[in-house]
Amino acid sequence: DTAVSQTPKYLVTQMGNDKSIKCEQNLGHDTMYWYKQDSKKFLKIMFSYNNKELIINETVPNRFSPKSPDKAHLNLHINSLELGDSAVYFCASSQESDTQYFGPGTRLTVL
Amino acid sequence: GDSVTQMEGPVTLSEEAFLTINCTYTATGYPSLFWYVQYPGEGLQLLLKATKADDKGSNKGFEATYRKETTSFHLEKGSVQVSDSAVYFCALSNTGFQKLVFGTGTRLLVSP
Repeated sequence: DTAVSQTPKYLVTQMGNDKSIKCEQNLGHDTMYWYKQDSKKFLKIMFSYNNKELIINETVPNRFSPKSPDKAHLNLHINSLELGDSAVYFCASSQESDTQYFGPGTRLTVL
Repeated sequence: GDSVTQMEGPVTLSEEAFLTINCTYTATGYPSLFWYVQYPGEGLQLLLKATKADDKGSNKGFEATYRKETTSFHLEKGSVQVSDSAVYFCALSNTGFQKLVFGTGTRLLVSP
């Protein structure tokens, strides 16, 4: 009964490839997020969706495209992967601006 | 813009020592303040939170008090255990912005 789940947990791929990371929450929350954690553990918001609508886009390259098919899912698609995209990506959810609950993370390695 | 500053790590302590991890913030309005913990190889877990000035958040022996006058939210624990070894993140969420702004994280290492 995982609250926020992500797949895959690990993703290793070559530069230039396109990949997707999936996120699902079963908490009934209306807001979902993507955060990026770099190699120094610094965490920064990338996107936020409320009721399937994009509300935050923090100057992320347009190679990153989030997609929210319904309130329980927020997927992240990345085109033309670059070395600098290597990081851990965390999905989170909340009910409006209440406490955010995080998934286990997806470690992306671009070779 | 809003920001959070945490003390540099790692913080290295012996078991049963007293822990303080400093956190200060800069924000407009009245943010909510959080401490999240990340154990090795895992995601972030909410440790505690406070939503208004003078509130004290507490959980698992950890506590932090929201001090508006010093814009601080320092994390404390009276007696740390080896199992507390992790990275601790201070964060804020400002009203209506629906995003967390994190500090850089502080790694805590507790030895037996």
